[in-house]
Amino acid sequence: EVQLVESGGGLVQPGGSLRLSCAASGFTFSSYTLNWVRQAPGKGLEWISYITGSSSAIYYADSVKGRFTVFRDNAKNSLYLQMDSLRAEDTAVYFCASLGVARSYYEWFDLWGQGTLVTVSS
Amino acid sequence: DIQMTQSPSSLSASVGDRVIITCRAGQSISNYLNWYQHKPGKAPQVLIYAASTLQSGVPSRFSGSGSGTDFTLTITNLQPEDFATYYCQQSYSSLYTFGQGTKLQIK
Repeated sequence: EVQLVESGGGLVQPGGSLRLSCAASGFTFSSYTLNWVRQAPGKGLEWISYITGSSSAIYYADSVKGRFTVFRDNAKNSLYLQMDSLRAEDTAVYFCASLGVARSYYEWFDLWGQGTLVTVSS
Repeated sequence: DIQMTQSPSSLSASVGDRVIITCRAGQSISNYLNWYQHKPGKAPQVLIYAASTLQSGVPSRFSGSGSGTDFTLTITNLQPEDFATYYCQQSYSSLYTFGQGTKLQIK
């Protein structure tokens, strides 16, 4: 089955760290650009990071740049998000999503996981 | 970053109605515009990419149009399963951004 499954969410204190994982199955993982997208309680979707299949290009939203690090292990079909210096405003459901591509340049978030909840609170 | 603004923020409609949701980009994004449907507790689902291309498996009552800075998502003959939150998202820049969402509720 083609799927993405996130894990690693939980309760963490402000200033703490957490590492999220996203396990992929059913497709050639190394061929796909992956992203993290989050949704804070009662808020909309926010893209936060992007990593190409070979990890040659990595981008972050300004809201997490310098605090979060995205990386992947293609041998393990896994994507990760290392989150440091966490703030209350990082409380959200975190989704991993693969990028669909058409005609070489149209891109969209194609396959999504079900999300993992991160709560930053003392 | 490219700002995306949707309107309205919420909308009430009845089964069988036609609704239109608009999305405006802070700069021209050609047709690099996607629309998603999101239901509580579920993963978002892409409906339309490249402003007007219907994703495989999405019902034809969904359609998209626009180019440059102004875009619309139209849903005709609303069905009970269509009540959800809808987001636009630009892919012109790899620093992707979403609109704030439009919550479609049953009247």
